[in-house]
Amino acid sequence: EPEVTQTPSHQVTQMGQEVILRCVPISNHLYFYWYRQILGQKVEFLVSFYNNEISEKSEIFDDQFSVERPDGSNFTLKIRSTKLEDSAMYFCASSEERLPYNEQFFGPGTRLTVL
Amino acid sequence: AQTVTQSQPEMSVQEAETVTLSCTYDTSESNYYLFWYKQPPSRQMILVIRQEAYKQQNATENRFSVNFQKAAKSFSLKISDSQLGDTAMYFCAFFNAGNMLTFGGGTRLMVKP
Repeated sequence: EPEVTQTPSHQVTQMGQEVILRCVPISNHLYFYWYRQILGQKVEFLVSFYNNEISEKSEIFDDQFSVERPDGSNFTLKIRSTKLEDSAMYFCASSEERLPYNEQFFGPGTRLTVL
Repeated sequence: AQTVTQSQPEMSVQEAETVTLSCTYDTSESNYYLFWYKQPPSRQMILVIRQEAYKQQNATENRFSVNFQKAAKSFSLKISDSQLGDTAMYFCAFFNAGNMLTFGGGTRLMVKP
């Protein structure tokens, strides 16, 4: 069964460094998403992406964040200058169509630790 | 803004018994969708069940069913005949517009043999 995959599973970085989190969505899906979950807190929406552009973003998704689909398979989240408060689990998701008519399939997450 | 609250951070149930997980939400919208997601340890979140607010009938998927009380803004998940594989984190989520989900804080369910 097709799955969303994410790499790496755990990333440790120093404050101020740039990180790129990678996701491979399910191949025939057209909509892509990033969510994050700070330890002990709720899963929060960051951004949705369709047709090579951002379709929605939350207040969390400020100028230090960017997303890209550099080729036909990868979907990346870049954090330009990491802060301590960026430490969280980051989940990628994809769907064939827009919500709510289609299920969002989630990846296993990347745990980002900023020191 | 919509909020979703899960008041039970942790629950446990004996195998083969029934357990109910609570979820309440706050919205001024009349049409929306509610979801329960399951996240097993170290695994992806997967959709368990979905409820459309304009449907009065409660959704059911095998051993999983919901009790949707629209006036009370309550959306609980009942798991019947609990199995060890049901051990997971369960998230309630809300959708009404855009292309994003709003999640609750989660309930960690442990099924004991």
